[in-house]
This record gives sequence, structure tokens and C-alpha cells, in this order.
Amino acid sequence: QKEVEQDPGPLSVPEGAIVSLNCTYSNSAFQYFMWYRQYSRKGPELLMYTYSSGNKEDGRFTAQVDKSSKYISLFIRDSQPSDSATYLCAIIVGFKTIFGAGTRLFVKA
Amino acid sequence: GAVVSQHPSWVICKSGTSVKIECRSLDFQATTMFWYRQFPKQSLMLMATSNEGSKATYEQGVEKDKFLINHASLTLSTLTVTSAHPEDSSFYICSASDLQGDEQFFGPGTRLTVL
Repeated sequence: QKEVEQDPGPLSVPEGAIVSLNCTYSNSAFQYFMWYRQYSRKGPELLMYTYSSGNKEDGRFTAQVDKSSKYISLFIRDSQPSDSATYLCAIIVGFKTIFGAGTRLFVKA
Repeated sequence: GAVVSQHPSWVICKSGTSVKIECRSLDFQATTMFWYRQFPKQSLMLMATSNEGSKATYEQGVEKDKFLINHASLTLSTLTVTSAHPEDSSFYICSASDLQGDEQFFGPGTRLTVL
């Protein structure tokens, strides 16, 4: 079993839709939970991070963590074509960051 | 946010040659630098972690004699792929974190193609 599981997609939605991206993890020792966005042939950029259960909002993005279920989500409201990218969840334990496989998102105009 | 650069952004080389990739933190001191490899449509796989002035720690399955990492200063780390082969063709991405270590700042990546 992988330490972090993420559906690679692709996920295709119309402009304006609410997007839900999800990951599950196996190790309760994980401390920080992050979401990165990666455009094609670019390095990842950090979108959001949290270390507690519950929701964290930043503009159109909401990160949600459920430690009891070992489940993390990223919601994108009013999705735009510019949101088309690969979204990677990442989990930190100690000094190591473990990435999910990434979900490819396409937002159609 | 902090800026990390990589050079070159892409490189094509012949099989058997060595290639050096540089990773620089431009506006902060990178206590720790990480090197990742990303194959097409796959996630980032950590290759090694290096702390300034000490030997790198390699992940299981990564050949330390093939992927030489040097982190001689707080702003520069290099990855040298020695005797490169076509199966080494990949996207290599570095990241850096400062002393607090809460966040990694990623470079733009280097695409290596070995013919």
C-alpha cells in the first residue's frame, strides 16, 4: 500500500464548476498536509498547507483534513481554465515530504 | 515567496556522458535541499536529501555513485548524473528549505534527455 494515494484522473470539468480533489494516507504520524499545483513542465508551487483537522480557506481554494479518516481534500470554487494543471497532495512526516501521484485537472471554457 | 532556480532548464546528452544540474536559492539560505525525479505522468519521487556541508542521504534504490550530490554552500546544490543512460531521461526538480524547514520551495525543474 502506498503511503499516499491519489487518483491520477484526468478530471475534466466545465468552467465555473466546483472541483473536489482527494487523497488518502496511511501513516498517522504525518504532521503537515499540503497541496501543490504543477503546470506542465514546471516545478510544483505550493497552494496551501495545514496541520490540523478541519477546513482552511484561501480565496477560491479550500483545504480539508479529516485525520480520523486519514483523508484530505482540496476544493476549487468557480474553476477557471487557468486552473488546469496537475494537483499534488503532499504529506510531511519529519523532514520527508511524500507526494501523491497527482490529479490532472482540465477546466473547459 | 522564496525563489529557487535551476540550470540548465533542459539538456540533451549522449549515453555515457555526465550531466551536472545546478540548484540555487536566490534570496534565502537553504539549509536543506532535496532532489526529486519525475517521470511522465508520475509523481515526484525523492532521490536524496542534502544538508549544507554534509553528505547527502539517498533514498532506497537510488545509486549514490551514479547521482552525485554536492551541497557545498547555503545557496547552491548540484546533482551530477554520471554515465547517463536513456532510462535516466526524466524531469529533475530540486527544492530547498531554510532552517525552519516548514516549507519547501521548488525550482522550475530540468528536463534531461539521454540519447
